[in-house]
Amino acid sequence: EVQLVESGGGLVQPGGSLRLSCAASGFTFSNYWMHWVRQAPGKGLVWVSRINTDGSTTTYADSVKGRFTISRDNAKNTLYLQMNSLRAEDTAVYYCARGYSSSSPVGAFDIWGQGTMVTVSS
Amino acid sequence: DIVMTQSPDSLAVSLGERATINCKSSQSVLYSSNNKNYLAWYQQKPGQPPKLLIYWASTRESGVPDRFSGSGSGTDFTLTISSLQAEDVAVYYCQQYYTPSYTFGQGTKLEIK
Repeated sequence: EVQLVESGGGLVQPGGSLRLSCAASGFTFSNYWMHWVRQAPGKGLVWVSRINTDGSTTTYADSVKGRFTISRDNAKNTLYLQMNSLRAEDTAVYYCARGYSSSSPVGAFDIWGQGTMVTVSS
Repeated sequence: DIVMTQSPDSLAVSLGERATINCKSSQSVLYSSNNKNYLAWYQQKPGQPPKLLIYWASTRESGVPDRFSGSGSGTDFTLTISSLQAEDVAVYYCQQYYTPSYTFGQGTKLEIK
């Protein structure tokens, strides 16, 4: 079964750090670009970051640039999001999602994890 | 960044009736070299992650019922549910993947009338 499972969320104080993980299974992880998308409570979806297949290219939303770092370990089939200098407005459910692959016709985000909640509060 | 604007924000439709959701992008998401519209539609039910319904503006994802269809090109797109079922109650989002800002629309909440 194709699956993404996030972990690492929790309660953190403003200015603190957290590292999210996303474990992939059921597909060739190293063939796919991967993304993080977040959703604040009761709000819409906001794209956060992406990484290419070998980790050499990363892109960030302006709201997290310089504070968040996306990375991946293809040997462990795992995607990461290191979040530093956290702010109250970073409070959200964070989803990892599968993106583009040269071997896939889709292009959009076709597989999503269940999400992990990050709460930034004192 | 490309701004995606959906209309309406909410919609109530009777069971078995047609539901139509619109999505407008602030600039074209049609890539001329391959003639593809980089536009997707997602369905999100309460407490669940989004689910991909439609990509390339009109290609239905595997396993999605054929009552769901997507249309449009350039800057104007439509998601149509031909005959609303109870399980279709959800929030629907459009998304552009033409630029690496991957912006989503604000969402349209679909309910049963």
